[in-house]
Parts: sequence; structure tokens; C-alpha cells
Amino acid sequence: EAGVAQSPRYKIIEKRQSVAFWCNPISGHATLYWYQQILGQGPKLLIQFQNNGVVDDSQLPKDRFSAERLKGVDSTLKIQPAKLEDSAVYLCASSLEPGQGLETQYFGPGTRLLVL
Amino acid sequence: AQSVAQPEDQVNVAEGNPLTVKCTYSVSGNPYLFWYVQYPNRGLQFLLKYITGDNLVKGSYGFEAEFNKSQTSFHLKKPSALVSDSALYFCAVRRGGSGGYNKLIFGAGTRLAVHP
Repeated sequence: EAGVAQSPRYKIIEKRQSVAFWCNPISGHATLYWYQQILGQGPKLLIQFQNNGVVDDSQLPKDRFSAERLKGVDSTLKIQPAKLEDSAVYLCASSLEPGQGLETQYFGPGTRLLVL
Repeated sequence: AQSVAQPEDQVNVAEGNPLTVKCTYSVSGNPYLFWYVQYPNRGLQFLLKYITGDNLVKGSYGFEAEFNKSQTSFHLKKPSALVSDSALYFCAVRRGGSGGYNKLIFGAGTRLAVHP
């Protein structure tokens, strides 16, 4: 079974530029998550999709971050404009619909972003 | 509010010795608890979870964890450590039950170093 795919793996940009990350979840997984992992910290949820609807974006900096999941499969996370503090690893995860014992999240390899 | 504490930034153990990585949590209601491992430049890899039932949970690569409700702990253990177990370990918690979209809260991580 193929895992969660993410691209690109690495990205270096200058502050105030824009950047986009792509995620393809495990086939059949209705729920997709984007996390931000700053060096030395645990992952922090940015946004959670159930199919193509947003169920939690309370920690997404909406003035600069946006995400979409068209057709309930692939997802794109965008940052515009980027700030120095956005330097982090951006992890995508997917799971079956939350329920009794079904919500194990499986993670992709991440995109490492460096903002100069 | 949900929270996870991993009190040790780093755990050092000799190969062949037993290892323990500590985790305590705070959540309202019954917890769902998870352990993930992260190798350099890789995403998080699922090790094991506690949802309900037996307090001792067995997972991948010989790891196990014991749920202790009175101490609100979920320590990760392995009887005999391998050098290849050296990695970053994350404990995570969410509020249990079906139908909710409660986010997974991660600890800051514990670096495990197994010495030959």
C-alpha cells in the first residue's frame, strides 16, 4: 500500500515570496491533516479536512496561509507571503474517518522549508 | 485543554539494555494515546496506540507501552534496545470517542540514543 506522498521535499525561498506544498493521501483516507513542525518541537496541527470540507483550521494563520482539498483527495498548502518564522517542516497526514479506533494518522515524509 | 509532557529531552541507553521513554498527558474524558518515531529527514512513523482494553499495548519493532490512568501516563518501553532504535520519539493524545474532530496534541519529543 502506497503511503502519503508529499512534494517538494525541500524548498528554499526568500521572505515575502510565496510557496506551495502538495500532498496525496493514502487511498481511501477521508481525513487529511497539515502539520507544522518547528525545529525542536512536536508537530502542530494547522488544518484538518474531512473529505473536501474543513473541520478545524483554528491554528492556521489565515492572513498568510491557505489550504484546499479539491475533490476530497489531493491537497495543497500555500504560504503567501512567507516570513522567517515559517521555516519548518510541513507534514501531511491522512487517516480513515475519526471513530472508534480508526483514527491512526499516517504521515508523509514532509517538506522542509527554509525562509531566508 | 489537552496537553502532553515528555519530561526528558534525551534518553541514553546501552544496546541490549531495557529502555523507557516517558509520557504524561492531560485530557478531559477518556484518552486516545499514540507513540510515533521520527528518523532524520523522515516523516513520523506510527508505533502503537491505546484506545481501550488491555493497558499494555504492543506495537512495531518490539516496542510496547503501558497505559496508567491513575498516573495519566503512557510510557514507551522496549526490553532490549538496538542501535537502530536511535531516533526522535513523540507521544500524542486526543480526546476519545467517536464523531469528534478533536485534534491530536503532540509532546515536544524525546531523543533516544542507543550506544553500542
